[in-house]
Amino acid sequence: DVKVTQSSRYLVKRTGEKVFLECVQDMDHENMFWYRQDPGLGLRLIYFSYDVKMKEKGDIPEGYSVSREKKERFSLILESASTNQTSMYLCASSLHGISGNTIYFGEGSWLTVV
Amino acid sequence: EDQVTQSPEALRLQEGESSSLNCSYTVSGLRGLFWYRQDPGKGPEFLFTLYSAGEEKEKERLKATLTKKESFLHITAPKPEDSATYLCAVQPLKTSYDKVIFGPGTSLSVIP
Repeated sequence: DVKVTQSSRYLVKRTGEKVFLECVQDMDHENMFWYRQDPGLGLRLIYFSYDVKMKEKGDIPEGYSVSREKKERFSLILESASTNQTSMYLCASSLHGISGNTIYFGEGSWLTVV
Repeated sequence: EDQVTQSPEALRLQEGESSSLNCSYTVSGLRGLFWYRQDPGKGPEFLFTLYSAGEEKEKERLKATLTKKESFLHITAPKPEDSATYLCAVQPLKTSYDKVIFGPGTSLSVIP
């Protein structure tokens, strides 16, 4: 079975704190993604990585950064958390290729910034 | 502009009452179309991938079909455990990376 694991399911952080969300996949996938999901706004892509140390901005990268030091691990970093970053964060991975490759999601991390 | 819409926004069915969910897309070439199921508070769970018009995939009470402009997710004799949000996503043929565009989802409730 494919497996994308997000290290924290529920977090509560204070405004201004630095927040790390960690994600690990065991499928040897090249691509990894971070999305956030908010009611009425659907899934929005924050950042994407297609290889170790490579990253591309998604649709809403402001206020976020990412790190991919190993193929199986992709971290999302909130440098200075703000209340408008309260959301559900989803990590995902897929194979890279010319055909439509399925994206597999983790269980999600609920972040509340107070 | 590439776009994915889903209808209806919400659907209530009696147990055993079959129906269909719609996903309409506008892209300049289709690399793949995906269906996911999402339970409250959890990540989307992969259901199907469709690649070309005329293709069909089935899994238990679910059947997904694809035309050149839309996809349908048919639910036959649904049960309460089929209650979830169903997401459709499209991967355009021309993308700078493996970008996928998600629709807003259809929230399905199956009443016993």
